[in-house]
Amino acid sequence: DTEVTQTPKHLVMGMTNKKSLKCEQHMGHRAMYWYKQKAKKPPELMFVYSYEKLSINESVPSRFSPECPNSSLLNLHLHALQPEDSALYLCASSQETGMNTEAFFGQGTRLTVV
Amino acid sequence: KQEVTQIPAALSVPEGENLVLNCSFTDSAIYNLQWFRQDPGKGLTSLLLIQSSQREQTSGRLNASLDKSSGRSTLYIAASQPGDSATYLCAVRGSQGNLIFGKGTKLSVKP
Repeated sequence: DTEVTQTPKHLVMGMTNKKSLKCEQHMGHRAMYWYKQKAKKPPELMFVYSYEKLSINESVPSRFSPECPNSSLLNLHLHALQPEDSALYLCASSQETGMNTEAFFGQGTRLTVV
Repeated sequence: KQEVTQIPAALSVPEGENLVLNCSFTDSAIYNLQWFRQDPGKGLTSLLLIQSSQREQTSGRLNASLDKSSGRSTLYIAASQPGDSATYLCAVRGSQGNLIFGKGTKLSVKP
């Protein structure tokens, strides 16, 4: 099983709303990632969790708040977003962050901020 | 800072043709390189992973090569099919463990 499951698949939210994106994997991976992808652009790294600890934050605005409650789950809490935050949000996992490790991606959450 | 470039940006070929997609990177200190496929509005599907010590990997009609010293990788697709139409992304894993992506090659295979 190489599946990374993201929910919801689509999300429309207002600029004053609070919502959360969820990501789950059961491959025993200890590294999990959030990426943001705008239309016709490559994915851009937002956060990396390694062994449930935040190891990389790519200077992401505080309106995005990641959480890793356990080794199988990764959440992204959203608050006071802007329309330009509309994008495809991708979650990925890998065995670890180092060598010999293949990354697997979920199908993404299509977020629209109105 | 690592930069990944993919050429061409778009490619249209008739069905049955063999083709090569190119990926180059500026910093050869990578852990590995991974090729992905992305269908419109969907997530990424891993195609091939090449470790930094390897020269190539094969899976079915796909063959990926890696020349770390020159900062280049190629993805060879044999006997292309319309179902191969998608955007192909290469990504390198650096020492911090993050994946850095190229902008992708959009492939269209015409029946």
